Amino acid sequence: KNEVEQSPQNLTAQEGEFITINCSYSVGISALHWLQQHPGGGIVSLFMLSSGKKKHGRLIATINIQEKHSSLHITASHPRDSAVYICAVSAGGGADGLTFGKGTHLIIQP
Amino acid sequence: DAGVIQSPRHEVTEMGQEVTLRCKLISGHNSLFWYRQTMMRGLELLIYFNNNVPIDDSGMPEDRFSAKMPNASFSTLKIQPSEPRDSAVYFCASAPFSGIDTQYFGPGTRLTVL
Repeated sequence: KNEVEQSPQNLTAQEGEFITINCSYSVGISALHWLQQHPGGGIVSLFMLSSGKKKHGRLIATINIQEKHSSLHITASHPRDSAVYICAVSAGGGADGLTFGKGTHLIIQP
Repeated sequence: DAGVIQSPRHEVTEMGQEVTLRCKLISGHNSLFWYRQTMMRGLELLIYFNNNVPIDDSGMPEDRFSAKMPNASFSTLKIQPSEPRDSAVYFCASAPFSGIDTQYFGPGTRLTVL
């Protein structure tokens, strides 16, 4: 069973700061997902990646398959980015359900 | 498209009662996942269907839990009998083909078992 570790667990930053959230996993995967859970509880998929780097607006996700590590970066952070960010992995080959990290609770102060 | 639809959004029931949670997939999606979220354990997979067939049910806690896909667009998760430790938020998610695809989450059902 894959173990997914995220750091930090909690992060408070000032508006405009560059944010990095890290994720590591223990076993080879087919895909890694970054999810955002809003204070109201809804979950939105931000990225799904299996190699390299993806960018969407102010968000950037990278993955290093050899090191079993991924990072989520937020540039020019804003209070509306405050949420829980969750890393999750899927093994593929029929084991497509996600294994989740415990999440990073991010607060961006104005 | 309306996205993944779950009902009810909130359910309060008493221990021992049967609970049925419902999920409607996004049209055309072939994969369906049920997840549970608690403060203690975070998010965890309960069961995964592909093309209406259960592929991975290793996360289903015990025989009190059962899940079905009577057709390609609809799924139910049943708990009978319910227990207080089943209190959680239950999410379903659908994906176009498999878990390697982006998953689209429903709004969740908050279940409280008294």
